Amino acid sequence: EVQLVESGGGLVQPGGSLRLSCAASGFTFSGYWMHWVRQAPGKGLVWVSQINGGGTSTKYADSVKGRFTISRDNAKNTLYLQMNTLGAEDTAVYYCAILTGYYYDHWGQGTLVTVSS
Amino acid sequence: QSALTQPPSASGSPGQSVTISCTGTSSTVGDYEYVSWYQQHPGKAPKLIIYEVTKRPSGVPDRFSGSKSGNTASLTVSGLQAEDEADYYCSSYGGTNIGVFGTGTNVAVL
Repeated sequence: EVQLVESGGGLVQPGGSLRLSCAASGFTFSGYWMHWVRQAPGKGLVWVSQINGGGTSTKYADSVKGRFTISRDNAKNTLYLQMNTLGAEDTAVYYCAILTGYYYDHWGQGTLVTVSS
Repeated sequence: QSALTQPPSASGSPGQSVTISCTGTSSTVGDYEYVSWYQQHPGKAPKLIIYEVTKRPSGVPDRFSGSKSGNTASLTVSGLQAEDEADYYCSSYGGTNIGVFGTGTNVAVL
């Protein structure tokens, strides 16, 4: 059974940093593109970042470019999102998701990041 | 990276049908067969219900169907049931090669 379990969320002050993790199991982790998608409270889904199976190709939404870094450790079956210079606009539930073909067929349960003083 | 456009809300009585539109451009929706749809109940993660415009994953009832015409994709929920009350999002992974989501539609079962 495919499982994605996010962790690392919490309360952080504006300008602070946080690293999210997504532990994967039940599939060949290194064979799939992985994505981060976020959802601000009461708002819609927004794509944040993606990384290929080998970790050599990444892309970011304009709103996080230069502040967030996506990475993965295929030996640990874990996806990461390093978030720096956080602002109130980054407050959201962050989901990791597997891209199969051109759709997200599995999602984690999400981890809440709250940026507030 | 503009979001795809969906109506904010839709509703229907039990047993009726409701159709949700998802409008993009030729580079996000029109030129590709990569539209997917997700159902999200409050406090839960999104769930894939339609992929590649018309296909249903195993376990998704055939009450859910998808279609596309030009730059607009549509999701139809037939025979509405109480458990269909949720938010629905379209997505396309087309020519931009990044994920683009719709603005979301809240479906109410009256």
